[in-house]
Parts: sequence; structure tokens; C-alpha cells
Amino acid sequence: DVKVTQSSRYLVKRTGEKVFLECVQDMDHENMFWYRQDPGLGLRLIYFSYDVKMKEKGDIPEGYSVSREKKERFSLILESASTNQTSMYLCASSLLGTGVNSPLHFGNGTRLTVT
Amino acid sequence: GNSVTQMEGPVTLSEEAFLTINCTYTATGYPSLFWYVQYPGEGLQLLLKATKADDKGSNKGFEATYRKETTSFHLEKGSVQVSDSAVYFCALSDLRNGNKLVFGAGTILRVKS
Repeated sequence: DVKVTQSSRYLVKRTGEKVFLECVQDMDHENMFWYRQDPGLGLRLIYFSYDVKMKEKGDIPEGYSVSREKKERFSLILESASTNQTSMYLCASSLLGTGVNSPLHFGNGTRLTVT
Repeated sequence: GNSVTQMEGPVTLSEEAFLTINCTYTATGYPSLFWYVQYPGEGLQLLLKATKADDKGSNKGFEATYRKETTSFHLEKGSVQVSDSAVYFCALSDLRNGNKLVFGAGTILRVKS
């Protein structure tokens, strides 16, 4: 079974702090994704990566950056956390894209609270 | 652009009741359609999928049929269990949109014994 591990389950940070959310997958997947999940809005794509050192913006990249130095690890960075970034953050990986033959495998999420 | 609309929840049912969660979509191309499920405290996992019109996806007693004429992909189960309590997300993937997944808002299902 594919395992996607997010380093923290709960995180509380102060406004203006730099925040790192870490994600590791163990199945040698090419693609990794960061989503945020908010009630009534579903999942929105922040950033994704199709290869090491490669990144592409998703639908809501403002206020975020990412790093993929190794294939198995994909980090989400909040350069200066703000209260409107309080959310559940979900990391996912897939073998090839997100098409029908390549489902996403999700981590359990990190619930971030910015005070 | 592509979008997915799900019925609002929460949906509360008694055990063994029939379940329908409505999902409609808007897409420029010919998308693949998915249902993902999120159990409490866990990440999402793929429940079922369909790739073309009239396809029926099924898994764990759940079914959904890809209806191109009504742009719908409603999730159904004949007899729900308490263990089905979760959040259900409808999603689409469209080659013309770089195969990025677009999710609906999610529907909370609560099943009471």
C-alpha cells in the first residue's frame, strides 16, 4: 500500500511566522500535490510537482511556496503565516498525473491554526 | 472552467437506508469522474471511478453511473452502515485541463444505528 506521511497532525503558529509542512511518500511516485480543505469549498490545489526540483502553481498559490529536492519529499512553505491560512492541508501523490489510471493517494492531513 | 457541484450536507440516515448523494459537473472536454471518501481522521481515498458516458463505477456496495446527458454522477448505496459515515467528494479529471483533479465541496454522511 502506498503511504503518504505528513509530519504533523496539528500545528499552531503565530501570524508572521514561517511555517514548513512536510510530506513524504514511499512509492516512488512522480507526482506530488498540496491541497487545502475548507468547509463548503472542498479541496483546492495550491501547488503540484511532476518531478524533482519542478513545481507548478495550482489554483490558489498566493502566500505559499514549495520545495521538492528529493523525489519522495514535497514541502509546503508559508513564508509569513496569516490567519486566513488556517485550514486543513492535505498532501497527495500519484504515479502519473491525476487521470483515471493514476488515482491520488492522500496523507492524513495537517490541521494548521494561525493565531 | 471545469467545476463540480454536490448536494449540501450533512445527510443523516438510519442504518440500512438507501443513500443518494447528487453530483453534477461542468467540463469543457470529456472528463473522467471519481468519488473519493474521507473517513474521520484520515485522508481521502478513491472509492470508485468512471471514464466515459454510461460507465458504472462500483465499490464496497456503492455505485455511480456517468450520465453525459444530465452531466451527473450521483453516488448510491442500497443499504448504508454506520461505518459508511464519512465525507464524500465528487471529482473530475479532464485531459484538456492538464488532468488536474477538480473537487466538489464534499458531502458529510452520518449514519445512525
